Amino acid sequence: DGGITQSPKYLFRKEGQNVTLSCEQNLNHDAMYWYRQDPGQGLRLIYYSQIVNDFQKGDIAEGYSVSREKKESFPLTVTSAQKNPTAFYLCASRGYNEQFFGPGTRLTVL
Amino acid sequence: GENVEQHPSTLSVQEGDSAVIKCTYSDSASNYFPWYKQELGKRPQLIIDIRSNVGEKKDQRIAVTLNKTAKHFSLHITETQPEDSAVYFCAARPSGSARQLTFGSGTQLTVLP
Repeated sequence: DGGITQSPKYLFRKEGQNVTLSCEQNLNHDAMYWYRQDPGQGLRLIYYSQIVNDFQKGDIAEGYSVSREKKESFPLTVTSAQKNPTAFYLCASRGYNEQFFGPGTRLTVL
Repeated sequence: GENVEQHPSTLSVQEGDSAVIKCTYSDSASNYFPWYKQELGKRPQLIIDIRSNVGEKKDQRIAVTLNKTAKHFSLHITETQPEDSAVYFCAARPSGSARQLTFGSGTQLTVLP
């Protein structure tokens, strides 16, 4: 934690809208991750990036997109193709071994 | 790929008692095993981790043990306090920088005063 920020903390979206969640880190970490957490559930990997300008799909990438144009930033876009987007979204970054999480964004579809 | 199973899903203990959470993993190449604590509405926080060249690691009231032969690892919390109440996640990662953490499903620990 500490050097990872996410914004906004809460986000409300109307059906059919795309929204972008921000994730920034100042830890000089190469690897960054996006997870989704549903109430009472574990962490599911959406996308990850090992290095700038490269990223891979995780277990539940459908309906999401990412970019990694800068080492410090890894934004996640939740598209209208994601049918059940209401969830808690966590960004993380990793140094050599330790992986740290941002404070999360709670997305609610109205 | 890696599969991590975590038990129990819920655990209630009296304040001052010990709590043990167990995880098993499937990929024998896994060599890094962190534990995270997540309080309600907050981010998961790394509380302790262990690497495969170590069998046990302690940090005050928290300890983790690893049995590579059996492919299981456990979190031990002694002298539990109400502030230990949270969801705890185990995870495993195979060697190689491109490998990802695979998380267990979590254990809701409740410490009763």
